[in-house]
Amino acid sequence: EIVLTQSPATLSLSPGERATLSCRASQSITTLLAWYQQKPGQAPRLLIYDASNRATGIPARFSGSGSGTDFSLTISSLEPEDFAIYYCHQRSKWPQTFGQGTQVEIK
Amino acid sequence: EVQLLESGGGLVQPGGSLRLSCAASGFTFTTYRMSWVRQAPGKGLEWVSLISESGDMTFYTDSVKGRFTISRDNSRNTLHLQMNNLRVEDTAVYYCARNFHWIPDYWGQGTLVTVSS
Repeated sequence: EIVLTQSPATLSLSPGERATLSCRASQSITTLLAWYQQKPGQAPRLLIYDASNRATGIPARFSGSGSGTDFSLTISSLEPEDFAIYYCHQRSKWPQTFGQGTQVEIK
Repeated sequence: EVQLLESGGGLVQPGGSLRLSCAASGFTFTTYRMSWVRQAPGKGLEWVSLISESGDMTFYTDSVKGRFTISRDNSRNTLHLQMNNLRVEDTAVYYCARNFHWIPDYWGQGTLVTVSS
């Protein structure tokens, strides 16, 4: 199974700052990576698919990049509603897997 | 508006069975793959299973193979997850999700399964 390792575990930032989250795959997954946001008590929300494509309705401040084994999610300027947990997900090989998550918290 | 409503969760003893259901509306159910994803209390997301549009292809994570069965009733716009021989480590909120490009896009609010004696 492909293991996705996210870093850092926690990111402490202030509103308006730039956030960069990392996801590393245990083997190449080309660009078959997605990013999700989850807030407490809510279901996850799809942000980015196929490494760099924003899902419907996702603001332009969210962007994704990477290929092969190294990927990143960037939030260009944090809004108050962006403080949440972010998960990466791969669909390259069965079973699909998620990373363990990065919590973006208010500093 | 896409809506996914899970039901069937509850408390069950180890070794027991439960059948989860997910009622879908607001989209053409027969043209989408569907998934189940779970989340243990205070933990991260774990992908569980996926079924093709017609139901002829199914996929599972290793820890549930042989115990869980995903199915769908396209005449009733409903997704199911039959869970047998449940273990304590199966305790989680189970989410039903529509798939786009083979990945979950819209998710339900989840149903809690607790396996405990």
